[in-house]
Amino acid sequence: KAGVTQTPRYLIKTRGQQVTLSCSPISGHRSVSWYQQTPGQGLQFLFEYFSETQRNKGNFPGRFSGRQFSNSRSEMNVSTLELGDSALYLCATSLGRSRTDTQYFGPGTRLTVL
Amino acid sequence: KNEVEQSPQNLTAQEGEFITINCSYSVGISALHWLQQHPGGGIVSLFMLSSGKKKHGRLIATINIQEKHSSLHITASHPRDSAVYICAVGSNTGNQFYFGTGTSLTVIP
Repeated sequence: KAGVTQTPRYLIKTRGQQVTLSCSPISGHRSVSWYQQTPGQGLQFLFEYFSETQRNKGNFPGRFSGRQFSNSRSEMNVSTLELGDSALYLCATSLGRSRTDTQYFGPGTRLTVL
Repeated sequence: KNEVEQSPQNLTAQEGEFITINCSYSVGISALHWLQQHPGGGIVSLFMLSSGKKKHGRLIATINIQEKHSSLHITASHPRDSAVYICAVGSNTGNQFYFGTGTSLTVIP
C-alpha cells in the first residue's frame, strides 16, 4: 500500500499570502488529522476530518481551515500568513478516529513565511 | 500548563543499555500514543495504549491509567534507535490531541 503523501514538500510564501497544503491518505483510511510542528511549540493539533466532516479542532485562529473530500483526501488552508506560521505541517491518517487508532504520518510540508 | 510532560528531555546512552522514557499526563484519555521522529522529520507511530503493556521487538510500552503515567523502554539500545520520542494523548473530553515536548535520544556505539 502506498503511504501518506503530502504536497508540496516545501513552500516559501510571504506575509499576507495564503497557502493550501494537500494530504492523500492511505487507501481505506477515513480520518485525516493535521498538525503543526515548530521548534518552540513542538507538535500541536490543528484539526481532524473524518468522513468529510471536521470532528475536532485545536486552538488555532480561524485563518487555519481545512476540508476533506469524498475520496478522503484533505486540504488545509492558511490565509493571511504570518511569520509565526513558518513550520512543518504534518498530516496523519487512520482507519478510524485518530484518538483511538494508529496514525500513519506523511513526510510533512515545510512552510517558510518571509 | 502542559497537559503532557515527558522526561528526560535529552538522553545519551551507550549501545546496549536499557533505556526508559517517562510520560505523565493530566487529562482523561482515550488512548496514549508513542511516536518516533528521526532527523529529517518523518514520524512513525510505535504504540497506541489504553491499558496495560505492549511489546514490539526491543521496545516495550506500559501505561498506568490510575497514575496517569506511561513509560517507553528500549532494551539493548542501538545507534539506530537515536531519534526523538514523543508521547501523545487523545483526550476523552473535547476531542483534543496533546503532545509532550519529546525526548531526544542519542545512542553511542
